[in-house]
Amino acid sequence: NAGVTQTPKFRILKIGQSMTLQCTQDMNHNYMYWYRQDPGMGLKLIYYSVGAGITDKGEVPNGYNVSRSTTEDFPLRLELAAPSQTSVYFCASLPPGSNYGYTFGSGTRLTVV
Amino acid sequence: GQQLNQSPQSMFIQEGEDVSMNCTSSSIFNTWLWYKQDPGEGPVLLIALYKAGELTSNGRLTAQFGITRKDSFLNISASIPSDVGIYFCAGQRNGNKLVFGAGTILRVKS
Repeated sequence: NAGVTQTPKFRILKIGQSMTLQCTQDMNHNYMYWYRQDPGMGLKLIYYSVGAGITDKGEVPNGYNVSRSTTEDFPLRLELAAPSQTSVYFCASLPPGSNYGYTFGSGTRLTVV
Repeated sequence: GQQLNQSPQSMFIQEGEDVSMNCTSSSIFNTWLWYKQDPGEGPVLLIALYKAGELTSNGRLTAQFGITRKDSFLNISASIPSDVGIYFCAGQRNGNKLVFGAGTILRVKS
């Protein structure tokens, strides 16, 4: 099992550009999450999904969109990149009924200039 | 939103020293988790706590679930250079979402 895989690892965007951060997991986990990590701020939940076809907003959803067409994939879309979206983005997954914590990907470091 | 107050923000200690960090909340949680993040990587689960008062060890790490269910502690004994990283606490209520603390940055002098 590869676990949770995120691509790309690094990306520099210009203000107003768009991009999709990819996340895929091969553990058949129903629950998937997107977090952003800002220095000294911990991890903030952007969006999450409890299964294919179901998504919901987290704490900081503005400026982002997600889709969940399959169990494996949970891409995060930035439509009009802004400097405030410079951050490290983490995808995570969890099997249903588990309270054992998430499995995280290794992150995508995004800089918007 | 919900917040976890994690302290200290950072620590710079001598190799071999013990380390203590804690997390507090104004809300009750049913599960407390401690993660470690190495540079350039995602957080990795260290210890999970499920009952108030529970004390759990994982090698040199020991964590406790506070009696009030509003706090948790992590201790690292006899620190070594590979302990460096960011340690996060996280709380979970019923349901699947975690709330994270801001992290404790640990640096070890050898």
